Amino acid sequence: GQQVMQIPQYQHVQEGEDFTTYCNSSTTLSNIQWYKQRPGGHPVFLIQLVKSGEVKKQKRLTFQFGEAKKNSSLHITATQTTDVGTYFCLNQAGTALIFGKGTTLSVSS
Amino acid sequence: DTGVSQDPRHKITKRGQNVTFRCDPISEHNRLYWYRQTLGQGPEFLTYFQNEAQLEKSRLLSDRFSAERPKGSFSTLEIQRTEQGDSAMYLCASSFGTQYGYTFGSGTRLTIV
Repeated sequence: GQQVMQIPQYQHVQEGEDFTTYCNSSTTLSNIQWYKQRPGGHPVFLIQLVKSGEVKKQKRLTFQFGEAKKNSSLHITATQTTDVGTYFCLNQAGTALIFGKGTTLSVSS
Repeated sequence: DTGVSQDPRHKITKRGQNVTFRCDPISEHNRLYWYRQTLGQGPEFLTYFQNEAQLEKSRLLSDRFSAERPKGSFSTLEIQRTEQGDSAMYLCASSFGTQYGYTFGSGTRLTIV
């Protein structure tokens, strides 16, 4: 089935620095979703991208879907300590939902 | 509470015992998923229901695992003859369609001793 590779696995930043995580697929994706999981918590839906080249923003978060619909990115501007957690991309392969391995973000103040 | 509820929150059981978990999705959600997550890993898909029909089951799921959603509302996940490797967080998620994402419950943490 379709697999998405997510990089980096870990990222540590100083508060105020930017952060980006990437999901890459070898096949065309119908759509991609992004989730955030706080330490000890459960995944929480952030956004869904469907259209080629789509860009969506949520405050300091910017989500992009590649023109070929094979990659996606999540960019956080000026990170805050509240951004700590693991960010997952999610791909729908048939009726199964396949998560990337996640990027764990830590932020030091 | 209009979220996804899972019960119990924690379960400790001896190896070889059977366990059953329950998930109550958001009432109008027709899709329900079960996932398993171990420390430091992303959630791993187990099975999917649309209403009461189990439409997909992961090939990684052994015959010791079974799930039901008898009336298209709550769902149960049973693990028979538990093994050490079954220790994980078991997450349930539900949705109505896909455009609004999937709402996850807080999970059931299973520890096999």
